[in-house]
Amino acid sequence: GDSVTQMEGPVTLSEEAFLTINCTYTATGYPSLFWYVQYPGEGLQLLLKATKADDKGSNKGFEATYRKETTSFHLEKGSVQVSDSAVYFCAVSSGSARQLTFGSGTQLTVLP
Amino acid sequence: NAGVTQTPKFQVLKTGQSMTLQCAQDMNHNSMYWYRQDPGMGLRLIYYSASEGTTDKGEVPNGYNVSRLNKREFSLRLESAAPSQTSVYFCASSLLDSYNEQFFGPGTRLTVL
Repeated sequence: GDSVTQMEGPVTLSEEAFLTINCTYTATGYPSLFWYVQYPGEGLQLLLKATKADDKGSNKGFEATYRKETTSFHLEKGSVQVSDSAVYFCAVSSGSARQLTFGSGTQLTVLP
Repeated sequence: NAGVTQTPKFQVLKTGQSMTLQCAQDMNHNSMYWYRQDPGMGLRLIYYSASEGTTDKGEVPNGYNVSRLNKREFSLRLESAAPSQTSVYFCASSLLDSYNEQFFGPGTRLTVL
């Protein structure tokens, strides 16, 4: 089955630092890739997505590029803010029912 | 639009008790999903319903049953709760198009004593 391996956390950064959270996947066929974010006490929200090789998803200053050759979808942001503190999940969707398979999540804390 | 709603928000059960978690969506989505979230394990799929009238097992279905009541509603039932089912439960829905972007509810925090 599909699987997602995410960079282990927690990650603690100072405000305005550069962020990278690594994500690699295994999946059959032509998967879609997603990053979801979970703020404390809330459900998951879609942050960005990419549906084919070399696509770049972007939202709120976050970016990730679908790299089929390295089966990766690393999340980056040039300058993080305190409000970006949350748990970030990488996910892959494939198969006839397009089920999502999630990574274990990376806790990000940004200090002022 | 309320999106995906779940009830209750919190629940405490004793071992062996039963309960039903309710989920509803108002986005006219075809597919609905139940996940559980445990520390360090991400979200794991319990059951899903690709369309009204169909349900299928996910990664961790044991101890659970589901009902797709209509296009809007998808319930999760614990017939005899066990401490191992202490978790946060999330319902999600999607169009089941080629991208399958899923929209999540706020979650139900369940504790089984």
